[in-house]
Amino acid sequence: SAVISQKPSRDICQRGTSLTIQCQVDSQVTMMFWYRQQPGQSLTLIATANQGSEATYESGFVIDKFPISRPNLTFSTLTVSNMSPEDSSIYLCSVGVGGPTDTQYFGPGTRLTVL
Amino acid sequence: AQSVTQLGSHVSVSEGALVLLRCNYSSSVPPYLFWYVQYPNQGLQLLLKYTTGATLVKGINGFEAEFKKSETSFHLTKPSAHMSDAAEYFCAVKSNNDMRFGAGTRLTVKP
Repeated sequence: SAVISQKPSRDICQRGTSLTIQCQVDSQVTMMFWYRQQPGQSLTLIATANQGSEATYESGFVIDKFPISRPNLTFSTLTVSNMSPEDSSIYLCSVGVGGPTDTQYFGPGTRLTVL
Repeated sequence: AQSVTQLGSHVSVSEGALVLLRCNYSSSVPPYLFWYVQYPNQGLQLLLKYTTGATLVKGINGFEAEFKKSETSFHLTKPSAHMSDAAEYFCAVKSNNDMRFGAGTRLTVKP
């Protein structure tokens, strides 16, 4: 398994500002994922971030809005840019562990409220 | 692409009663199947997973799930509900490194 921490755990932000969320893992992992969970809904994958390459974004998500960094095998950041109230969600970091049958483990999430 | 359907967005049981949370999937290749639990204001915690081998999988906290290929199902059960089981439960299917989550089922446990 993997132990994942996220900072901040929650934040309240003003419209038009940006927030960077940090994800730290206690072991080296190849694949890291960022998800969004809107209120009362399931998880939607934003992007996959592999160390040493550009993040791969899912349909509906773009790098200008959600830039991602992956400087090493234990750390990643997701920035939510030019925020609007529609960005109010829980943002979850996840890592894949276990080779071909990769199990995904999740961080505690960052609860973002945009006013 | 694979998909997951969880039947019932809300399930309510009495303490000590059987818990049954339903999950059906579609996948063009043999899938890996997962159940996660999310307690209020927390991230997702892995309950159990099926990859290969025995189709009845036991997880943490007394939960188990059975992979039924003929029914494309992976229902989650627990013989006796506890108040601490109240949470949101997500079924997920993974194939070709692509993981998809169901909409979730909120379990309420009544005293």
